[in-house]
Parts: sequence; structure tokens; C-alpha cells
Amino acid sequence: DAMVIQNPRYQVTQFGKPVTLSCSQTLNHNVMYWYQQKSSQAPKLLFHYYDKDFNNEADTPDNFQSRRPNTSFCFLDIRSPGLGDAAMYLCATSRSSSSYEQYFGPGTRLTVT
Amino acid sequence: AQSVTQPDIHITVSEGASLELRCNYSYGATPYLFWYVQSPGQGLQLLLKYFSGDTLVQGIKGFEAEFKRSQSSFNLRKPSVHWSDAAEYFCAVGYNQGGKLIFGQGTELSVKP
Repeated sequence: DAMVIQNPRYQVTQFGKPVTLSCSQTLNHNVMYWYQQKSSQAPKLLFHYYDKDFNNEADTPDNFQSRRPNTSFCFLDIRSPGLGDAAMYLCATSRSSSSYEQYFGPGTRLTVT
Repeated sequence: AQSVTQPDIHITVSEGASLELRCNYSYGATPYLFWYVQSPGQGLQLLLKYFSGDTLVQGIKGFEAEFKRSQSSFNLRKPSVHWSDAAEYFCAVGYNQGGKLIFGQGTELSVKP
């Protein structure tokens, strides 16, 4: 089945230690999104790619970076995680920039110790 | 500015009872509307969507939603709730910035036996 895959499902990192979360998709979708979701809150968009065109949300901290080396893969890098970065990180895809229907992965739960 | 409001943070219903989750949006043009469901520790799954046409839309798992332009609402309904429906439900609206979604704050549904 075509899907969005996130690895790992659970990630523990230390305060200030860089961490990378990964997302892959077999849907061949053009657009990929990264969301941050804290407990009992709505997902918050961090950034998204239209193909290789990177789009950062205005309020996304500089501590968060992303890479998309090809259509299938997208990475979220947190350069110096703080305790406030502990959250669920969701990856999503959509067919094109004019398609609002997004398909979500299962998420990566990040813990910062 | 566009916004989505889910007035009910938490709802408890008895198994077998009917359900209605409320969603109101603020958007100048015809919106693209979605309902997603999120089980604990999981990603978001699309329940149903409205783009145009018939204002009553059917989704998966026996859910339906009705778009009411005059009330700026897109309420989710199910005639008979099952224990497995216990989850967080998010209403979302797509807005004209390249396929992005605005999410409501979510409604947590509990189902009692």
C-alpha cells in the first residue's frame, strides 16, 4: 500500500544534541510537510516543500531545518533541541500545491532529556 | 484571517448513541473542509472532505458531515458511536496559500460503555 513512513517512531535525545527525524513516501506526491504537535494541541506547520522548493513558516525557529534530497524522502533536523521541542512530529504529503488533501505518517514522538 | 473553531474540547457519549462534533470556520472564499481523526500516539487519518457540490458528505467509518455556508459550519456526525471511535478529532480548512491547512484545536471524544 502507498503510504507515508516516519522513522523512528520514538526518539530520545539530550538537551542540545542534534537530532534528525526522517520521512519517506511511496505516494509520489509533490508536496511534503512537517508539523509539530504538542500534547492536546493542533498540529502546527513548520515548513513544506513543493518539489525541491523549500517554504518556511514565519514563526518556525531557526533551530529547525529540513532537507529533501529526492521526491521520496524528507528530513527534519533540530540543531540544538530544547526541552520545549519535545513533541510529536508529523510528516504529511499532498499530490500538488493545489491539492489540499494531506496524507499523514504515524508521527515521531521526540523526548528531550 | 482564516480560522477554525471547534467549540467542544472534550465530549463523552455512550456507546450506541449519536454524535455531533461542531466546527466553525472563518474564510472569505469557498473553503476546502476536512475532518481528520487521530488515535493516541498516531498520525492523522482523513475521515472526509468537502470541496464543492452536495453539502452532505459521507466518509469512512460511518461518519458524515454537512457543510452549511450560512452558518460557516461543517459539523461531523455519526448515528451510532462505537467504542473504537474514541479519539481526537480535528476539523481543518484549506486556504489559498498553496495547499496548506488550518486546524481547529481538536475535540477529544470519549465513549462510555
